[in-house]
Amino acid sequence: EVQLVESGGGLVKPGGSLRLSCAASGFSFNSYTMIWVRQAPGKGLEWVSSISTTSSYIYYADSLRGRFTVSRDNAKNSLYLQMNSLRAEDTGVYYCVRRLRVHMDVWGQGTTVTVSS
Amino acid sequence: SYVLTQPPSVSVAPGQTATITCGGNNIGSSNVHWYQQKPGQAPVLVVYDDSDRPSGIPERFSGSNSGNTAALTISRVEAGDEADYYCQIWDLSSDHYVFGTGTKVTVL
Repeated sequence: EVQLVESGGGLVKPGGSLRLSCAASGFSFNSYTMIWVRQAPGKGLEWVSSISTTSSYIYYADSLRGRFTVSRDNAKNSLYLQMNSLRAEDTGVYYCVRRLRVHMDVWGQGTTVTVSS
Repeated sequence: SYVLTQPPSVSVAPGQTATITCGGNNIGSSNVHWYQQKPGQAPVLVVYDDSDRPSGIPERFSGSNSGNTAALTISRVEAGDEADYYCQIWDLSSDHYVFGTGTKVTVL
């Protein structure tokens, strides 16, 4: 079964850091570009970052302003998102997503990040 | 940055047809994808490349795209179709992915 399982979410104070992980299984992880998408409470979906199969191409949403870093370890079938200088507006559910061509065909269940003092 | 505009809400009676629009500048030149999200759940792909359906998605879900408007049509609407729906494109000029503003479909 194709599966993506996120972890690492939690409560963090403004200005703090958090590292999200995504464990992939059931498919050839190293053959797919991977994506992070987030959703603030009661709001819509927002693309955060994408990383190509060999990490050669990495892109971020303009709104992040260099605070987030995406990475992957193909040997461990894992995707990561390092989030620094967190703000209240970063609060939400973060989804790990598999990209197929230019659409998103497999989504994890999400991990919740809460930035609050 | 590229903006995709959807109506905030659409209401439809069971058995009728719901149409959700997604407006964007010359969106017809892009491939549009649609996701369904039920409360407390992750989004699910229901239409990709304008009008193709992933396996397991009912034929009642169909899509179209031309000019400045793409659309997702749900025929013979069922109570279980009640959800938020998002359109999405890949903006070639910026290598960014763009989601629409989202539409809440309510089954009366």
